[in-house]
Amino acid sequence: EDQVTQSPEALRLQEGESSSLNCSYTVSGLRGLFWYRQDPGKGPEFLFTLYSAGEEKEKERLKATLTKKESFLHITAPKPEDSATYLCAVTIAGNNRKLIWGLGTSLAVNP
Amino acid sequence: DTGVSQDPRHKITKRGQNVTFRCDPISEHNRLYWYRQTLGQGPEFLTYFQNEAQLEKSRLLSDRFSAERPKGSFSTLEIQRTEQGDSAMYLCASSRQGQGAKGTEAFFGQGTRLTVV
Repeated sequence: EDQVTQSPEALRLQEGESSSLNCSYTVSGLRGLFWYRQDPGKGPEFLFTLYSAGEEKEKERLKATLTKKESFLHITAPKPEDSATYLCAVTIAGNNRKLIWGLGTSLAVNP
Repeated sequence: DTGVSQDPRHKITKRGQNVTFRCDPISEHNRLYWYRQTLGQGPEFLTYFQNEAQLEKSRLLSDRFSAERPKGSFSTLEIQRTEQGDSAMYLCASSRQGQGAKGTEAFFGQGTRLTVV
């Protein structure tokens, strides 16, 4: 069964304390891996797409990487405004329309 | 165009009533999706349109749920005879068709929060 697992479930950091979030996947042919940020009561906000192992994308304090089994979202020197739930999703060969989601990592950054 | 728009943002209804939500996608996107999300969970796929054609519908979607996209632009999601278990955030997203997987990122609206009392 196609599955996406995110860890940790929750993470609390001090401002400036860098860390990484993990998204591991077990799917029958990865087409794309997507990272989203979601604030409470709002829809997911698109961050990155990764398509092949070794690919990296960066945006401000965030950097996403991809291997054949997992993706990492690295957060460098986070600020309180980075507090949110970070969701990972994949699309698979044969159905690149439907996103398969993880449960997310809830990140809290304390000032 | 400022993104995917959903209306209303919040809806409170009594059990047994019918509700309808609207989604206006990004104008150049021909794909439109409906998802449902409950607290602490990732979004759950409900249905998918390419232009006006509904190409996929989740097996989890009961007969009380129906979605339309009559002119390939905006879409509506109707829930008949609402139940308390229908309380959730209903998310709409849109995307381009793209070349293979590339360029098919889905962009989400702010959602409609449904509370069934």
